[in-house]
Amino acid sequence: DTGVSQNPRHKITKRGQNVTFRCDPISEHNRLYWYRQTLGQGPEFLTYFQNEAQLEKSRLLSDRFSAERPKGSFSTLEIQRTEQGDSAMYLCASSLGGSRGFTEAFFGQGTRLTVV
Amino acid sequence: AQKVTQAQTEISVVEKEDVTLDCVYETRDTTYYLFWYKQPPSGELVFLIRRNSFDEQNEISGRYSWNFQKSTSSFNFTITASQVVDSAVYFCAFNQAGTALIFGKGTTLSVSS
Repeated sequence: DTGVSQNPRHKITKRGQNVTFRCDPISEHNRLYWYRQTLGQGPEFLTYFQNEAQLEKSRLLSDRFSAERPKGSFSTLEIQRTEQGDSAMYLCASSLGGSRGFTEAFFGQGTRLTVV
Repeated sequence: AQKVTQAQTEISVVEKEDVTLDCVYETRDTTYYLFWYKQPPSGELVFLIRRNSFDEQNEISGRYSWNFQKSTSSFNFTITASQVVDSAVYFCAFNQAGTALIFGKGTTLSVSS
């Protein structure tokens, strides 16, 4: 499978616990995005990387959220001290992008987080 | 700041009707990219079309067509002869150099038989 892969697909955690999600992008894609989607809403931008550099982080993003993309390959998104409001689908996408233009972003199937 | 607006929250049509989904964007730059995605009930976002700001030619792909008008900052999507399988949430998205890919809030299309 050469698409975007996300793990785990589902995560249930107790409030206050830390969780980490992983995203493996399409191998030749230099851009990697994280989004959060709740029921009835569009994907809400969280952060994105170009290669290993984190270029932008949403101002709405709490300090409890951190993302990494070591070596410009896979990425992890960690949420510390989870709250019930963090319950959502977390989507990862990858694309080719830069000064010469952008291709479409391909999305993974997402990780559904439930905080109880 | 860039912005994408999909004013229609929900649209309901009967099979075989034509339907147009609206998308309006805001930017001060001259180089940018617009996209449409489909999110069926299964949940995975599916890419439909990409258009750059220098190409205003309308595009048709089967029952789908897109109308890009820079003069009105719109990138509308029309489904001709809608089918039940077209029922989904449709998102318009925007990208340009130095920014992230941002999405509108989506339009939920319900096609009944």
